[in-house]
Amino acid sequence: NAGVTQTPKFQVLKTGQSMTLQCAQDMNHEYMSWYRQDPGMGLRLIHYSVGAGITDQGEVPNGYNVSRSTTEDFPLRLLSAAPSQTSVYFCASTRGGSNYGYTFGSGTRLTVV
Amino acid sequence: EDQVTQSPEALRLQEGESSSLNCSYTVSGLRGLFWYRQDPGKGPEFLFTLYSAGEEKEKERLKATLTKKESFLHITAPKPEDSATYLCAVQGGNSGSARQLTFGSGTQLTVLP
Repeated sequence: NAGVTQTPKFQVLKTGQSMTLQCAQDMNHEYMSWYRQDPGMGLRLIHYSVGAGITDQGEVPNGYNVSRSTTEDFPLRLLSAAPSQTSVYFCASTRGGSNYGYTFGSGTRLTVV
Repeated sequence: EDQVTQSPEALRLQEGESSSLNCSYTVSGLRGLFWYRQDPGKGPEFLFTLYSAGEEKEKERLKATLTKKESFLHITAPKPEDSATYLCAVQGGNSGSARQLTFGSGTQLTVLP
């Protein structure tokens, strides 16, 4: 049981490049989310999904796209990378019902130069 | 808008020296307050969920309590392996079906041997 798997672990991009951060979970969780973590600012929600085919924006969605074609996968796309998107990105998932905390992946550290 | 403030930002303790971390929150209709532990270079790890004022939960040397305005994470006789950043998050009534969390910026705990 792998939990939430994120790839890659590290990435360096040039300004203007695009890329996709991968996230997969094997727990059959309905809810999946993407957060970014910056020093002193806590985790901020980028996009989330409540099930396959359903996505919505979080607190800081600009510059990012998501899709959810299957229950397991929830990729995050950076359309045109900017230095302000330098951050650590976490994918998380949880099952329905409020008794369960989110399970987080180990993160992707992204640097945009 | 839901808000979470954690204090102190950093705390250094000697092994065996008990203390408490604070999480103050404002939320419209609390659905749950969550505590996570985050080790360097890793994703947050779920510790507890608290739902109503007066509720308490324990896990090894950790005990979480909840009032209508704040939560405390009490650490009894800490060990060096308790060193980590502790994150607090709330899920408010306005999070709707998404069950999204608002995080504080964390307390970095260091336990010295």
